[in-house]
Amino acid sequence: QVQLQESGPGLVKPSETLSLTCTVSGGSTNINYYNWIRQPPGKGLEWIGYIRSTGNTDYNPSLKSQVTISSDTSKTQISLKLSSVTAADTAVYYCAAGAGYRIEYWGRGTLVTVSS
Amino acid sequence: DIVMTQSPDSLAVSLGERATINCKSSQSLLSSTNNKNYLGWYQQRPGQPPKVLISWASTREFGVPDRFSGSGSGTDFTLTISSLQAEDVAVYFCQQYYNSPLTFGGGTNVEIK
Repeated sequence: QVQLQESGPGLVKPSETLSLTCTVSGGSTNINYYNWIRQPPGKGLEWIGYIRSTGNTDYNPSLKSQVTISSDTSKTQISLKLSSVTAADTAVYYCAAGAGYRIEYWGRGTLVTVSS
Repeated sequence: DIVMTQSPDSLAVSLGERATINCKSSQSLLSSTNNKNYLGWYQQRPGQPPKVLISWASTREFGVPDRFSGSGSGTDFTLTISSLQAEDVAVYFCQQYYNSPLTFGGGTNVEIK
């Protein structure tokens, strides 16, 4: 059973860079895609991007200019950086993983508020 | 991008009655390679992360009660709760994983009447 735990600052100032980490434990050999997904308060889900076990990444075109997803070589720490944030980036950020595009596991999420 | 459209936005159903949620995709999610529909359903209770209920349009995940069922193919899909229980109050989302970017439906809020 894969477990995912998001961590990072809960408050980020406008124009700064949001940085979050997802710690992966209880590994499963078939899990090879690690996603970041966000949910603004009271709204729906938006896929941000993923990193594969090969190191390849893919990002949502709507966020591509702002986003970097990276990982350590063992895939136990998945990082998200979102630059030049605004209030519109306030959301619960989830780490989610699966085999291929199919998401099987979700972290509990972490709320990030963008405010001065 | 594949656009996922859910209906209705909200639904109030009496305990023990059937709840039906629809999801329509802007292009087919059926793979000609393996004859599978790349469509999942999630349940999100208040304050919790989404939980996978159904994968491949109709395959219940381990531990999901059999009152939850998924059906449909191509572009039109349905999640049915056959006999609504109090613990089923939640928002339900569909999601396509046919191609990138992964996209979600807007959600259906299910309440008790």
